[in-house]
Amino acid sequence: GESVGLHLPTLSVQEGDNSIINCAYSNSASDYFIWYKQESGKGPQFIIDIRSNMDKRQGQRVTVLLNKTVKHLSLQIAATQPGDSAVYLCAERMKTSYDKVIFGPGTSLSVIP
Amino acid sequence: GAVVSQHPSWVICKSGTSVKIECRSLDFQATTMFWYRQFPKQSLMLMATSNEGSKATYEQGVEKDKFLINHASLTLSTLTVTSAHPEDSSFYICSARGLAGQMGQFFGPGTRLTVL
Repeated sequence: GESVGLHLPTLSVQEGDNSIINCAYSNSASDYFIWYKQESGKGPQFIIDIRSNMDKRQGQRVTVLLNKTVKHLSLQIAATQPGDSAVYLCAERMKTSYDKVIFGPGTSLSVIP
Repeated sequence: GAVVSQHPSWVICKSGTSVKIECRSLDFQATTMFWYRQFPKQSLMLMATSNEGSKATYEQGVEKDKFLINHASLTLSTLTVTSAHPEDSSFYICSARGLAGQMGQFFGPGTRLTVL
């Protein structure tokens, strides 16, 4: 199946610090990007999204940055909390007839109390 | 908000048997549903896209005769793993998208399949 799945890289941060999670996407024609949070044994939960005509979008404690030149997406989490520990997945929507969403490899975030 | 459910949440079966997993959109009509598979410590891998009333579109490398998908109504899609083997053990997740023009794609809680 179509996938960029690899074993998850991990990131450990101290509680209260800011976290930056990076993602490289594959398709320059993708027009919409999403970050999801996935806790163990659960489905992905929407965090924040950004369209390709934007460079930055902010939510509550989270910011997504998009650099189309180098096909790079990042998620910044401010004042990271233990409850933020999870796997973070970036996804791109590919402009096909079904607009399918393809996931990047993801990052496992571990917050140290 | 939009809710997607899956049933069962987990299943254990013997090798050679078939297992059906249901994906339902509870409070919206889903014209398109997607099926993903996730192995431990890996990301989600798209298996197939199903549209209500038409045949599913499978990703390269996914056997359509092994993973049967039926999207019989605007609120239900099913994935049947036929003649399951231990290598099919995985976390299967569906997602659903609403009517045309809606950007959101909502994920189900996943189904853990273990084949003995």
